[in-house]
Formats: sequence, structure tokens, C-alpha cells
Amino acid sequence: AQSVTQLGSHVSVSEGALVLLRCNYSSSVPPYLFWYVQYPNQGLQLLLKYTSAATLVKGINGFEAEFKKSETSFHLTKPSAHMSDAAEYFCAVRYNTDKLIFGTGTRLQVFP
Amino acid sequence: NAGVTQTPKFRVLKTGQSMTLLCAQDMNHEYMYWYRQDPGMGLRLIHYSVGEGTTAKGEVPDGYNVSRLKKQNFLLGLESAAPSQTSVYFCASSNTGFGAFFGQGTRLTVV
Repeated sequence: AQSVTQLGSHVSVSEGALVLLRCNYSSSVPPYLFWYVQYPNQGLQLLLKYTSAATLVKGINGFEAEFKKSETSFHLTKPSAHMSDAAEYFCAVRYNTDKLIFGTGTRLQVFP
Repeated sequence: NAGVTQTPKFRVLKTGQSMTLLCAQDMNHEYMYWYRQDPGMGLRLIHYSVGEGTTAKGEVPDGYNVSRLKKQNFLLGLESAAPSQTSVYFCASSNTGFGAFFGQGTRLTVV
């Protein structure tokens, strides 16, 4: 079945440290890939998307993600965490079926 | 800009009652989605639509029905609510290749 896996339901970092949130997809055919952020009691906001134009994708708030076909991965990174980055992050994929499927999410905590 | 609007924002139902959640988008998007969000399970796709008059099943369609009579609206119905349907429901819309825009969610409690 087409799916997306996020490794680590919780990630904790210190302010100023590197943020790395992991996402792997299941298809041999590269899909559209997305990262979303959700702040408490809010809807989801698009951080960035991969649509085959470039393997390194830059998004909002200093986040970026690299598409690696050989690893079927699309990990999200940010060089220096800020307290305001604390939120839940979701990786999502869209395959040819037009379904938009989400991972189970990773909650990011940032400590001062 | 309104974007994606969900109605209502909160609702409490008794077991066996029915209700309809309304999603409206003003971006002329072709695709619309209904998800439920439960702790530790991320967002699970209930039903989706790829255009006016079309609907398709997602990952967890049982107990729900949908309709897309107008391009801008996507309705989610619960015919006989069950406590297992207590959740936060999100609607989203998009066009091909673009990220989806989400509504603010509907918090439904079934007692």
C-alpha cells in the first residue's frame, strides 16, 4: 500500500541546534511530497513541497528538505532551531491516485 | 481571503444522531479532502473528491458519506454517530501538484 512513514513521534532539540525530522515514502515512482506544520488548536500550514523540479527544496521559516530517490526519503531540516518552531510536523505524499496521504506526525520540542 | 471554511467548529452529538459537516473553499480548487485527526495517528483520509460530482473512498471511509454537488463545497455526513467518531475533522482543498490548504477543523464529540 502507498504510505509515508515518519520516524520518531517526538523530537527534542535545544534552541540553536539542528532540527532533523525524518520522512520516508513507499513508492518506487517519485510522488509529490510535502511537509506541513500544525500549531496547537490550528489547521495545517504548508511548509514546503517537492514536485520534481529540484531535489533540495526550501520552505518557509528557514526549513528545507532534500529528496533522495535512492533512500526514498524526504527529511526536513533547519540549521538552527527557534523556540517558535515548537509544533507538530507532518510529512505527506500524493501519488497518481490523487490521494493525499499523511504520516503520523512528529512533535518537535525546543528547549531554551 | 477566506480560503477553506469549515462549519461548525465544535459539536457534541449523542450516539445514533446524524449530522453534516460543511466545507467551503473559494480558491476554485479541483480536489477536496476530509480527514480525521486522532492522537498518535496523524491525519487519516476519510473521503476525497477530484472534481464536482465525484467522490472516492480514502483510508477510513466506514460510517461516513460525502457529496460534492458544487465545486466549492464538500459535505461530510455521519448517518449514525458512534463514540469512535469522536475526533477533530479537517477539510482541505488543492489543485494538482500544489499543497493543500486546510480549514481550521471541527471538534466533534460523540457521547
